[in-house]
Amino acid sequence: EPEVTQTPSHQVTQMGQEVILRCVPISNHLYFYWYRQILGQKVEFLVSFYNNEISEKSEIFDDQFSVERPDGSNFTLKIRSTKLEDSAMYFCASSPFLAGITDTQYFGPGTRLTVL
Amino acid sequence: AQKVTQAQTEISVVEKEDVTLDCVYETRDTTYYLFWYKQPPSGELVFLIRRNSFDEQNEISGRYSWNFQKSTSSFNFTITASQVVDSAVYFCALSETFYNQGGKLIFGQGTELSVKP
Repeated sequence: EPEVTQTPSHQVTQMGQEVILRCVPISNHLYFYWYRQILGQKVEFLVSFYNNEISEKSEIFDDQFSVERPDGSNFTLKIRSTKLEDSAMYFCASSPFLAGITDTQYFGPGTRLTVL
Repeated sequence: AQKVTQAQTEISVVEKEDVTLDCVYETRDTTYYLFWYKQPPSGELVFLIRRNSFDEQNEISGRYSWNFQKSTSSFNFTITASQVVDSAVYFCALSETFYNQGGKLIFGQGTELSVKP
């Protein structure tokens, strides 16, 4: 069964460094998302992406964040200058886009980002 | 404003007990989707069910069942004859967009279920 994959599973970085989190969505899906989950808290929406542009973004998704689909398979989240509070699990998700109806989002296993 | 509330932070049961996880949502839209996801100790988010706002029929899948009541804005999840493998955090989520592009999911705080042998 097709699934969303994410790399790396765990990333440790120093405050102020740039990180890129990578995701490979399910191949026939058209909508892509990033969410984050600070340890012990709920899952929060960051951004959605469709047709090579951002569809919606949350207040969390400020200028330090960017997303890109550099080729036909990868979807990346870049954090330009990491802060301690960026430490979290980051989930990528994808969904099909069937006749304009919101469909189920399938999540990857997550990347745990630790900022020291 | 859209909001999902899972008032039960933690529930502990003994194997074979039935357990119900509560979910209450707020939305101004008349069309929306509701979801349940499971997050086992390994950390991934596993999709369990999707229900649209026009379909209030209860659903059963094996030991899992869901009760959707628009009148009380609730979408509760029952596990019958719980097993140790059911131990996980369970999230209820709301998506307001329907006949539109992929809507963001608004998650509740999650309920941590612990099933003891």
